[in-house]
Amino acid sequence: GESVGLHLPTLSVQEGDNSIINCAYSNSASDYFIWYKQESGKGPQFIIDIRSNMDKRQGQRVTVLLNKTVKHLSLQIAATQPGDSAVYFCAENRGDKIIFGKGTRLHILP
Amino acid sequence: DTAVSQTPKYLVTQMGNDKSIKCEQNLGHDTMYWYKQDSKKFLKIMFSYNNKELIINETVPNRFSPKSPDKAHLNLHINSLELGDSAVYFCASGQGRESYTFGSGTRLTVV
Repeated sequence: GESVGLHLPTLSVQEGDNSIINCAYSNSASDYFIWYKQESGKGPQFIIDIRSNMDKRQGQRVTVLLNKTVKHLSLQIAATQPGDSAVYFCAENRGDKIIFGKGTRLHILP
Repeated sequence: DTAVSQTPKYLVTQMGNDKSIKCEQNLGHDTMYWYKQDSKKFLKIMFSYNNKELIINETVPNRFSPKSPDKAHLNLHINSLELGDSAVYFCASGQGRESYTFGSGTRLTVV
């Protein structure tokens, strides 16, 4: 079935470097994507979202890029900090429900 | 104040038992959801309720019965618990097409 999913289950990044987490989706009609961060023992927390009328959106230290041609989106975290250690999910908001991808665990190396 | 709160945080029970998880939101959202997260962190929607009315039931076994006494509460009752029900269950609430706010989860362990 149509889905949204992440490319890598685990990503290790040196503290201070930039992190890039990638995600692909299959439905070309998908128009609203959300990135969530889940820390250990907590629920998913909203980071940033993007709708299909945009190809880039920036927040505090985070940027989401959307490439509708290849059905790909990415989350970039600038100057990665220990507090960024978590599982990151890309998700598709279909209106009646939000569908989650599989998640990427981000490890921060000292 | 916690926006979406669910209780208990941990639940350990034997196979065959019946248990409930409670969820409350104080955000004034119209819609509430239950998600199940398995051991590989995969999050799957189970149910959604809009203003006390069931909207989505994602082919969840009949042993799972959500109940919404009012739009601020969505409880999940599970009958005849099985080993495969062990997971973390998340409650969430949302309004319109905005992102959801999630609770901190209930870790259910069936032994």
